[in-house]
Amino acid sequence: AQTVTQSQPEMSVQEAETVTLSCTYDTSESDYYLFWYKQPPSRQMILVIRQEAYKQQNATENRFSVNFQKAAKSFSLKISDSQLGDAAMYFCAYRSYLNFGNEKLTFGTGTRLTIIP
Amino acid sequence: EAGVTQFPSHSVIEKGQTVTLRCDPISGHDNLYWYRRVMGKEIKFLLHFVKESKQDESGMPNNRFLAERTGGTYSTLKVQPAELEDSGVYFCASSPGLAVSTDTQYFGPGTRLTVL
Repeated sequence: AQTVTQSQPEMSVQEAETVTLSCTYDTSESDYYLFWYKQPPSRQMILVIRQEAYKQQNATENRFSVNFQKAAKSFSLKISDSQLGDAAMYFCAYRSYLNFGNEKLTFGTGTRLTIIP
Repeated sequence: EAGVTQFPSHSVIEKGQTVTLRCDPISGHDNLYWYRRVMGKEIKFLLHFVKESKQDESGMPNNRFLAERTGGTYSTLKVQPAELEDSGVYFCASSPGLAVSTDTQYFGPGTRLTVL
């Protein structure tokens, strides 16, 4: 079974600065997907960024980028130019590539990010 | 386009009572998932519907939990009788269908269940 570990329960960053959230995972599969989801206070969880394991290039979405280290099974999220609206709970998640029709996500425990004005 | 909606947003019940949670997925989405987050822990998968059929219910904790998806549209998750350890936030998610291998799951806001 796959596991996802987020070792930072809480993080804080000064507005406009850069912060990196850590995520490691364990799997015996060679193909899979990794995700970062964001849940702002009292709001719905939304997808921030996704990475296909077979792609060597790190995914980027505007101010959000990942550092995907497949051999190390590490998938960190970097947020550049942090904004107040980035304050949220961030969840790292894993999904198997093989199980078409069953896309269940395996989540970490989350990291609460606070933005300091 | 309306997103995934869940009702109620918060429910407080006593141990032994019954509670029914409802999820309305995005219109046209065949896949519907239920997840649960117990305080401070990871979000855990409960089950997956494809249309009205249960594709995978391996995450259901025990037989006090019953999920249904009437006509492949909305879904309900009933807990009967509720126990203290059932407290948590129950999330519903939906995704379009089997044809798209890179489906994104769209989450609802969750139902916070408190069992006293």
